[in-house]
Amino acid sequence: KNEVEQSPQNLTAQEGEFITINCSYSVGISALHWLQQHPGGGIVSLFMLSSGKKKHGRLIATINIQEKHSSLHITASHPRDSAVYICAVKDYGGSQGNLIFGKGTKLSVKP
Amino acid sequence: DARVTQTPRHKVTEMGQEVTMRCQPILGHNTVFWYRQTMMQGLELLAYFRNRAPLDDSGMPKDRFSAEMPDATLATLKIQPSEPRDSAVYFCASGLNPGFTAYNEQFFGPGTRLTVL
Repeated sequence: KNEVEQSPQNLTAQEGEFITINCSYSVGISALHWLQQHPGGGIVSLFMLSSGKKKHGRLIATINIQEKHSSLHITASHPRDSAVYICAVKDYGGSQGNLIFGKGTKLSVKP
Repeated sequence: DARVTQTPRHKVTEMGQEVTMRCQPILGHNTVFWYRQTMMQGLELLAYFRNRAPLDDSGMPKDRFSAEMPDATLATLKIQPSEPRDSAVYFCASGLNPGFTAYNEQFFGPGTRLTVL
């Protein structure tokens, strides 16, 4: 069983729709990242959070430590949001550098 | 603006050849990570440096891979000899970790796309 599971694997939405991507993990964590990988391959860190909720523009990330679950929401989605969204966790008991990555959710937003 | 740079961006080589990938972390960052991304495995950590010292390279095949930081502005990942299964995108990331137990955001480079024929 993967330690970090994302759902859905693929998501197609119409422009303007509200989007939710989910991440569940099985280890104790000290931090969780949401990363965005563009079609060209570049990776951008969207959020790093360890509790509660963070908002940046149209993106909102939430985490529930007790349930070991995080969600990434995109409001008023746009075709430029099309990318792979990757959840990664910093294992609390793991070595200092090690991030455990989910397989990613591929999002396509149609105009 | 500050960003992580990686060279080369693309590399095609033949099996058995040595491959060297370079990374320049963001100035002032004291942690450097090497990741490999493949379709099958996704992103995997290969090595992690803090203040130029290797802290974790357990994800790296030791017989053919080596990672070093000759100075604070350069990290290298070498594969010798390369094999077709090493074909992947290799990402470098850097961050600022002020304390041993603290953990902060990582900034990714554009990656090196390696193809071993």
